[in-house]
Amino acid sequence: KNQVEQSPQSLIILEGKNCTLQCNYTVSPFSNLRWYKQDTGRGPVSLTIMTFSENTKSNGRYTATLDADTKQSSLHITASQLSDSASYICVVSGGFKTIFGAGTRLFVKA
Amino acid sequence: NAGVTQTPKFRILKIGQSMTLQCTQDMNHNYMYWYRQDPGMGLKLIYYSVGAGITDKGEVPNGYNVSRSTTEDFPLRLELAAPSQTSVYFCASTPSSLRWEGSQRETQYFGPGTRLLVL
Repeated sequence: KNQVEQSPQSLIILEGKNCTLQCNYTVSPFSNLRWYKQDTGRGPVSLTIMTFSENTKSNGRYTATLDADTKQSSLHITASQLSDSASYICVVSGGFKTIFGAGTRLFVKA
Repeated sequence: NAGVTQTPKFRILKIGQSMTLQCTQDMNHNYMYWYRQDPGMGLKLIYYSVGAGITDKGEVPNGYNVSRSTTEDFPLRLELAAPSQTSVYFCASTPSSLRWEGSQRETQYFGPGTRLLVL
């Protein structure tokens, strides 16, 4: 069964700290993996897109990694800011499917 | 560009009522999508369209209908609202692609969402 599982479900960190969010998937075949940021009451916004041959992609303070062999991805946030408080969604596409993870809810506290 | 816009932002329906959720994009994207997002769940694809006049079912199409008469507009119709349709609905678009679910370098643009409550 094609699945995308994210962990943790929610996370609270202090402003300025780093954090890492995890995404494990079983989608096959694999085409690409995306990370989205979704602010409360808004639609998702794309952060990174990675293909099979890419194992890291950065977008400012966001760095995504991909291990296609173990079917795992992570999103690392450096020097967190209050504006990073949001849900982070992992999305995996392959074949004719696109599977959205349930997201990790991140709270950044001052 | 305004990107992807959706109306209304919020709506309360009674069981059995009907309504249309509007979606418009001004990026000249051929591909458009409707998703629903339920609490604690990933987005689920309802319907999608690869161009004007062409639509197809996604993962959870029951209870919904769509049309695509123009490139810009992709309305979603609920004919007989049911409590199970209480959700947040997102419209999205991508540029032309060989594969509707998104090619390797495409960014999918989402609208701000419509929150629907069916009582």
